[in-house]
Amino acid sequence: DGGITQSPKYLFRKEGQNVTLSCEQNLNHDAMYWYRQDPGQGLRLIYYSQIVNDFQKGDIAEGYSVSREKKESFPLTVTSAQKNPTAFYLCASTERGDSSYNEQFFGPGTRLTVL
Amino acid sequence: SQKIEQNSEALNIQEGKTATLTCNYTNYSPAYLQWYRQDPGRGPVFLLLIRENEKEKRKERLKVTFDTTLKQSLFHITASQPADSATYLCALARRNNAGNMLTFGGGTRLMVKP
Repeated sequence: DGGITQSPKYLFRKEGQNVTLSCEQNLNHDAMYWYRQDPGQGLRLIYYSQIVNDFQKGDIAEGYSVSREKKESFPLTVTSAQKNPTAFYLCASTERGDSSYNEQFFGPGTRLTVL
Repeated sequence: SQKIEQNSEALNIQEGKTATLTCNYTNYSPAYLQWYRQDPGRGPVFLLLIRENEKEKRKERLKVTFDTTLKQSLFHITASQPADSATYLCALARRNNAGNMLTFGGGTRLMVKP
């Protein structure tokens, strides 16, 4: 089955620790995205990558970092600099990264809780 | 500042009725608009896309309208079923950027009662 996988589904972290969320897709999509969702709020864009070996900051990139060394993988690291990291994190991909009319395919999400 | 508004209060309707959800935006000139469905604890799933030069789009029991003068999109589900209960998100495509960026509204939760 083609799709996007995220792991783990639930993640607990102590304050001051960095943690990396995994996102893998086998759709052969060029572009990948990371969003954060807080209760009752819309998705906010953290980082995006239009093509392998390239990525750009989104609206709320502070305290996060990413890499895009392989087309199918786009891991997100939540660093200790992120002041309020407890949230639901969603990874998405689109076939192309330009301004064509592409739907976004989402993974199942990772719920991060900082203890 | 740019803003997307969806009714944050849940919409409760009876099975068989038509559900109508609203998405209003300000300070945007989107090239297109998308609607997604999100179930609790899961990622959104794409439903429909409508372009700025289209007034209406249909897919089975779903219908979307897009009024760029009113800066509003309406999302209709006809003959609603309990299985339609979910949160529905609208998302606007941003202009003047190099990527396929979307800005999402906060979503409206729909509850269809049998």
